[in-house]
Amino acid sequence: SYVLTQPPSVSVAPGETARIACGGDNIESKSVHWYQQKSGQAPVLVIFYDSDRPSGSPERFSGSNSGNTATLTISRVEAGDEADYYCQVWDTSSDLIFGGGTKLTVL
Amino acid sequence: DVQLVESGGGLVQPGGSQRLSCEVSRFTFSNYWMHWVRQAPGKGPVWVARINHDGSSTNYADSVRGRFIISRDNAKNTLYLQMSSLRVEDTAVYSCARAGLRHDSPAYYLDSWGQGALVTVSS
Repeated sequence: SYVLTQPPSVSVAPGETARIACGGDNIESKSVHWYQQKSGQAPVLVIFYDSDRPSGSPERFSGSNSGNTATLTISRVEAGDEADYYCQVWDTSSDLIFGGGTKLTVL
Repeated sequence: DVQLVESGGGLVQPGGSQRLSCEVSRFTFSNYWMHWVRQAPGKGPVWVARINHDGSSTNYADSVRGRFIISRDNAKNTLYLQMSSLRVEDTAVYSCARAGLRHDSPAYYLDSWGQGALVTVSS
């Protein structure tokens, strides 16, 4: 089955740019979606179809997908961005597949 | 805002059964595919099951196929997950989630999630 690999943690100072990777075999052939989950809360969609932002998702959030890596980029990071981030794709054999998640720490 | 509220969680013994409900509001339920997703304590989301808009098509993760049944009652705006032969490893927060749309067709991402219901399988 298809596997998505994320780094367990990423740390960034306020105002800097955070980049969270999501690796998968030829992931560029799939559509990648990203969720933010703050402590004790339900996940929230922040990017869909690689780079589209749903209404309510800040412009600071952007996405890209190329080769074997998709990337969620958060510009001008704020303390409120501290959360777990999950990438997700659809696979014919397993329906929805999620990455293991990346904990973003704002220093 | 879209609302999804799960209920029916609790403590159940291994081998037991439990039914979860997800009552939705503020959107036309019958237009959307729906999913159940679970998160074990401290872990990431894992997809469990999916149902199409009228209940005629379902799909399940291998880990629950044959033990769980997803269903819906569009007249009651409610999604269900009937769980049987429960195992310790089924312990998790179970969340219902709405599938997004793309060009008015069901898409394979989740645009709204409920807060979840905790199911604990333990003797």
